[in-house]
Amino acid sequence: QQQVKQSPQSLIVQKGGISIINCAYENTAFDYFPWYQQFPGKGPALLIAIRPDVSEKKEGRFTISFNKSAKQFSLHIMDSQPGDSATYFCAAIDSQGGSEKLVFGKGTKLTVNP
Amino acid sequence: KAGVTQTPRYLIKTRGQQVTLSCSPISGHRSVSWYQQTPGQGLQFLFEYFSETQRNKGNFPGRFSGRQFSNSRSEMNVSTLELGDSALYLCASSPWGGYGNEQFFGPGTRLTVL
Repeated sequence: QQQVKQSPQSLIVQKGGISIINCAYENTAFDYFPWYQQFPGKGPALLIAIRPDVSEKKEGRFTISFNKSAKQFSLHIMDSQPGDSATYFCAAIDSQGGSEKLVFGKGTKLTVNP
Repeated sequence: KAGVTQTPRYLIKTRGQQVTLSCSPISGHRSVSWYQQTPGQGLQFLFEYFSETQRNKGNFPGRFSGRQFSNSRSEMNVSTLELGDSALYLCASSPWGGYGNEQFFGPGTRLTVL
């Protein structure tokens, strides 16, 4: 059972364009939603995260939009750069049990063409 | 601060063998989680240790086990290896677990089972 569904699987964007990755979740107990960026040969690195009491969070060119009623959240990368080419994972945590169990989406491979 | 380190980085084993992977968390971090990453299943949670106790476990067979030492270093063991165990095994650490704590990932151990 996939608890976090991520789309698209792959995305090709021109330099300067906007990259949009969408995720949907089922478990209403999830209360923390991080996005991770992974380059080949590296482990995932936290990019930006949001809590469900906030509808939007922006850090530089990266913005998370969160729709609690629809149980959906998305990552927008503005002015996409070739250096942003990586695999992006959305994730969710149910932290009430004090655990660190991250549930990941399947990932989106982003390619930004120069 | 040094990041999360994992050893070895690459490992080749044959079916039926067992393997032990090691993870050294960031100094001061007490929570260590393990994930399996494969192209088909993506990132899947294996287990989490906090203060030498397993706090949460994913849906993996009992062949997968782990432990954590008093210095927070962790090991993961896989017995009776199967071809399907070929994956990138990632370890992540966080300060004390719980709500909103960032997990820092290591570079992973690439396990190939022949």
